[in-house]
Amino acid sequence: DIQMTQSPSTLSASVGDRVTITCRASQSISSWLAWYQQKPGKAPKLLIYKASSLESGVPSRFSGSGSGTEFTLTISSLQPDDFATYYCQQYNSYWGWTFGQGTKVEIK
Amino acid sequence: EVQLVQSGAEVKKPGESLKISCKGSGYSFTSYWIGWVRQMPGKGLEWMGIIYPGDSDTRYSPSFQGQVTISADKSISTAYLQWSSLKASDTAMYYCARRMIVGATWMDAFDIWGQGTMVTVSS
Repeated sequence: DIQMTQSPSTLSASVGDRVTITCRASQSISSWLAWYQQKPGKAPKLLIYKASSLESGVPSRFSGSGSGTEFTLTISSLQPDDFATYYCQQYNSYWGWTFGQGTKVEIK
Repeated sequence: EVQLVQSGAEVKKPGESLKISCKGSGYSFTSYWIGWVRQMPGKGLEWMGIIYPGDSDTRYSPSFQGQVTISADKSISTAYLQWSSLKASDTAMYYCARRMIVGATWMDAFDIWGQGTMVTVSS
């Protein structure tokens, strides 16, 4: 199966900071990579699909990039509402879906 | 409004059976894949499997194959996740989620999520 490795596991940042989270796949997944935001006690929320496509209604400060095995989620200017846990997720037609282990964005 | 509404929290004993549900509304239920995702307490997300209610085509994660059964009743726009014999390690939040489609192309992502069903298994 395909393993997803996110880094860092925890990130401390301040409001206004530029934040980057990395996700690496154990083999090429083309651009089949999505990013989600999850807050405590809530369901995940889709932010980015197909590596770089912004889901409708998601603020433009969120962006995604990458292809193959290395991907990034960038928050251009961190806002108070952005403190949460972020997950990457890959899709492969044979193995199905796999999530990364998550990155918790904390207040510095 | 497009939404998935899941059944309520469950408390069960080891060895008991359980079936939880996920009801879709506001869209054509038979035309979208519905996936199930587990989140154990304080842990990350794990994809369990997925079903296409239109023809009941079902795929499982190797980690969950044989451990759970996914089904759907398209007449009532509801998908199910069931266990025949629960274990304490099945204690988790379970989410259903709709696979995204753009135009006629299935995407990698799940765009609509249910609110989650907490399953607690304890003697």
